[in-house]
Amino acid sequence: AQSVTQLGSHVSVSEGALVLLRCNYSSSVPPYLFWYVQYPNQGLQLLLKYTTGATLVKGINGFEAEFKKSETSFHLTKPSAHMSDAAEYFCAVTSPGGSNYKLTFGKGTLLTVNP
Amino acid sequence: GAVVSQHPSRVICKSGTSVKIECRSLDFQATTMFWYRQFPKQSLMLMATSNEGSKATYEQGVEKDKFLINHASLTLSTLTVTSAHPEDSSFYICSARGTSGSNTINEQFFGPGTRLTVL
Repeated sequence: AQSVTQLGSHVSVSEGALVLLRCNYSSSVPPYLFWYVQYPNQGLQLLLKYTTGATLVKGINGFEAEFKKSETSFHLTKPSAHMSDAAEYFCAVTSPGGSNYKLTFGKGTLLTVNP
Repeated sequence: GAVVSQHPSRVICKSGTSVKIECRSLDFQATTMFWYRQFPKQSLMLMATSNEGSKATYEQGVEKDKFLINHASLTLSTLTVTSAHPEDSSFYICSARGTSGSNTINEQFFGPGTRLTVL
């Protein structure tokens, strides 16, 4: 069984400030981890993913995340927030090796960026 | 990257009617497709997983006779909401994974979603 916990359903930052969105997971096997972004009335767009190898993963739009096995975390960061970053962010986990790579999502974090 | 489309993007229907939503993979062969449901300000809930040519596997609590899923080809899956009621109003999102040439795509690519409103 696997699960994802996103701490903070709503995060508000000022434009130019650091963005930190928290994600903790539980998985009985080494996981694959993902961060997705969703704009209103749209589907999900992949920001970045961790599968194996380097634990610091860089994604699109200046976002990055670090896989910390000891902390079972995969927090998403961006050094300087932009107004266009305002959206809903979802962390997800899957167990590699399964035939379908079924994703389990966190409840999401709404990011607002203030001018 | 791989592209997944959905049609229609929005649909409004009367209570008791059936609605079909299409999900297509445009540039890869989708051996597996997933259907999700998302209520306002909530996360995605997996409804079912379908492998091409096989019956869909439904998650616990999802009525398979109400949400009919067909995955008859490697590029198309359909979700039919039968005898729709207002409580079926939601945002439905599909995703797909599969192969492109000789490469296996081990991540899900998501469609843009379909907003269903049942009056």
